[in-house]
Amino acid sequence: ETGVTQTPRHLVMGMTNKKSLKCEQHLGHNAMYWYKQSAKKPLELMFVYNFKEQTENNSVPSRFSPECPNSSHLFLHLHTLQPEDSALYLCASSQGSGTAGNTIYFGEGSWLTVV
Amino acid sequence: QKEVEQDPGPLSVPEGAIVSLNCTYSNSAFQYFMWYRQYSRKGPELLMYTYSSGNKEDGRFTAQVDKSSKYISLFIRDSQPSDSATYLCAMSLSGSARQLTFGSGTQLTVLP
Repeated sequence: ETGVTQTPRHLVMGMTNKKSLKCEQHLGHNAMYWYKQSAKKPLELMFVYNFKEQTENNSVPSRFSPECPNSSHLFLHLHTLQPEDSALYLCASSQGSGTAGNTIYFGEGSWLTVV
Repeated sequence: QKEVEQDPGPLSVPEGAIVSLNCTYSNSAFQYFMWYRQYSRKGPELLMYTYSSGNKEDGRFTAQVDKSSKYISLFIRDSQPSDSATYLCAMSLSGSARQLTFGSGTQLTVLP
């Protein structure tokens, strides 16, 4: 148990569907992240939230819409996705995002398949 | 050229072998270096964290950083089947958690 819980673990959706990924951290951290992990490619940082405020959006297409209602919860709303968006989506948290030495803790990920 | 290069493997070794995993990088300003272990269908977990050049040892694991060569290594002694996983290197300029640059990972299998 990493302290970062993601649901659902697996999701299959059509290109016209709307779905959401949920993340909850039980570590008392202030910063939360969404990463995308595709086969044989490095982890790609998508969004960063610090104290519920979005501090980073790495040119992510608008079909991915994050929401952070508080420091413990993070959502990724998905709509009109493409097959190339199929990947493992990892949520992570850390105690602050801008200070050296802050360890980042990952959830187990949500496997997304777009058909 | 990718900022961080990591041989994807797969790498298979017999139990008890010494494993060497490596990453090279292009940005000489990187100061903080990490190794993550990712078991199949799980998220990555931090294994080793080092700052600047030198060695760091933790049990069977040794992380080595050679900034002059822009090369980092992770050594696993007396490898066990439970070490079978994908190993990701990561590095950053400031140590900030939001500025990590990851390698693509090396898949390791330790055969019993």
